[in-house]
Amino acid sequence: DTGVSQNPRHKITKRGQNVTFRCDPISEHNRLYWYRQTLGQGPEFLTYFQNEAQLEKSRLLSDRFSAERPKGSFSTLEIQRTEQGDSAMYLCASSTQTDSLYEQYFGPGTRLTVT
Amino acid sequence: AQSVTQPDIHITVSEGASLELRCNYSYGATPYLFWYVQSPGQGLQLLLKYFSGDTLVQGIKGFEAEFKRSQSSFNLRKPSVHWSDAAEYFCALTGTASKLTFGTGTRLQVTL
Repeated sequence: DTGVSQNPRHKITKRGQNVTFRCDPISEHNRLYWYRQTLGQGPEFLTYFQNEAQLEKSRLLSDRFSAERPKGSFSTLEIQRTEQGDSAMYLCASSTQTDSLYEQYFGPGTRLTVT
Repeated sequence: AQSVTQPDIHITVSEGASLELRCNYSYGATPYLFWYVQSPGQGLQLLLKYFSGDTLVQGIKGFEAEFKRSQSSFNLRKPSVHWSDAAEYFCALTGTASKLTFGTGTRLQVTL
């Protein structure tokens, strides 16, 4: 068990560019979650998957955001036409449905800076 | 709607002193409650959780928390703080298997 991993750890981009983040969950976990954390705030839920299916999306997830989990393993979060307000830490978490049902394990996050 | 309130943005305690971090929640039923810790540049680490049963739960690193339904609270405690406990602490809840709702966090500073 290597834990949840996220890449890249840091991303600096110019406003208007597209960015993509990757999350690799704990291997036996079938649920995967994305959160966003801005400075001085707690993480805010964006979306979650059970296997390949995206089951819930927050209103925070505007049309410029898209998340996928094509084979029920890793997930990607893409932000198109980035804005300065997108600067934040993007956290990924995973959980298993069979044990400790509501316990989510978090990755180290991807810090995005939009200049 | 569900919400979590952490009234204290910043707390400073001396090493060896006791600690209590406050957490209040709003939820229509009995929630599932968590405390996470986040060190600078790190992800969130689960300290402890409450699902049901005994309202006093023990966690890692010597932390404990008590669920009080009548006060809608889930306060985190530690009898003797160590300098390595300095970090940001988040209380969170969920009522389902999906999203966690977090408080805004309490930053703990430990003086030597």
